[in-house]
Amino acid sequence: QVQLVQSGAEVMQPGASVKVSCKASGYIFTRFYMHWVRQAPGQGLEWMGAINPSGGSTNYAQKFQGRVAMARDTSTSTLYLEVSGLRSGDTAVYYCARDRETDASGSFDYWGQGTLVTVSS
Amino acid sequence: QSVLTQPPSASGTPGQRVTISCSGSSSNIAYNTVKWYQQLPGTAPKLLIYRNDQRPSGVPDRFSGSKSGTSASLAISGLQSEDEADYYCAAWDDSLNALVFGGGTKMTVL
Repeated sequence: QVQLVQSGAEVMQPGASVKVSCKASGYIFTRFYMHWVRQAPGQGLEWMGAINPSGGSTNYAQKFQGRVAMARDTSTSTLYLEVSGLRSGDTAVYYCARDRETDASGSFDYWGQGTLVTVSS
Repeated sequence: QSVLTQPPSASGTPGQRVTISCSGSSSNIAYNTVKWYQQLPGTAPKLLIYRNDQRPSGVPDRFSGSKSGTSASLAISGLQSEDEADYYCAAWDDSLNALVFGGGTKMTVL
């Protein structure tokens, strides 16, 4: 069965960087685009960007360009999201999600369990 | 301020049919497919509808989606207590080159 298992919660200082991982299993890793979505406490969903696990190409939301990096390791079927220059507004649950469509249009059929990143001094 | 506009709340009694609207523009809903997600408290979102009106396997047929022009709707028929959740619409936005979400609608079963 398809599973996306994310790394554990993090508490970070403002200005630091955080790296969240998402290990995929139960399907061919390189066949489906993967996305990252975050949700601040009590707020809605916010798309951060997507990565093609096959070639590694990325597409970031304009808001995060220059501050976010998405990567993948095909040998371990693992995705990575790195956010730098953390500020309090980055406190959120970060989700990885698999796109069921080949055009990566945002139909997420499987989600990770979420990783809470808290930015606090 | 979300690119897609949803009512913040909706409610209904068990058995009732309720709808949630999602308003967008020519750069998103008009020419791209709409998805709907259900999020129960403390859990990851779940895909309810994709390609405007398609249900993934396992999603009850009480849930249906539709789209017309720059707006979309999610209908829940035979409302049940377990449908109490937050619902989000989403669509690709060609101008932003990004996936955009609605602000979410909190469904309360009275």
